[in-house]
Amino acid sequence: DADVTQTPRNRITKTGKRIMLECSQTKGHDRMYWYRQDPGLGLRLIYYSFDVKDINKGEISDGYSVSRQAQAKFSLSLESAIPNQTALYFCATSPGRGHNSPLHFGNGTRLTVT
Amino acid sequence: RKEVEQDPGPFNVPEGATVAFNCTYSNSASQSFFWYRQDCRKEPKLLMSVYSSGNEDGRFTAQLNRASQYISLLIRDSKLSDSATYLCVVNNGFQKLVFGTGTRLLVSP
Repeated sequence: DADVTQTPRNRITKTGKRIMLECSQTKGHDRMYWYRQDPGLGLRLIYYSFDVKDINKGEISDGYSVSRQAQAKFSLSLESAIPNQTALYFCATSPGRGHNSPLHFGNGTRLTVT
Repeated sequence: RKEVEQDPGPFNVPEGATVAFNCTYSNSASQSFFWYRQDCRKEPKLLMSVYSSGNEDGRFTAQLNRASQYISLLIRDSKLSDSATYLCVVNNGFQKLVFGTGTRLLVSP
């Protein structure tokens, strides 16, 4: 079983719809992240959370919101999806303090907004 | 200038070849450095951290040149299974990791 699980794996939705991408982890890590990946742009940070009571914006948070329901769960919402949010989304966790700790990624959610 | 830049490739090499990738970064205050591997449509996975003195893990060698602000990854005796995209990742300071766009490697029989 995957240590970092994302659901759904694939999602096609229409412009204006609200959708939620979910992430759960069994690694016991405090830190969780949401990234999106677009061709030619690399991975970009949307939001991150260092514990249940901590939520921080990343470099491209506009149009997104998150909820850290528990240490193991971190969900990403698109309040009103638009076509340029079509991308591959990754959730990630890390164990430690500072950024020498590696990231552990989920298997990704491919989102298409039509 | 991008914070982290990589040659997108692809690098086409035969099995058994040695291949090297470089990655340049713009922030001289960057503190830590990593190489990740990503297979097509899969999640990135940590390949190795990059230490100041350089480090080796089997066929893979990573080096850091702070003066010229680049890191490198050397792969010896390339295998077909090494075909992937290699992502350079730099910690640019507090809580921020910056990903390069990746270098694609294709190893052929």
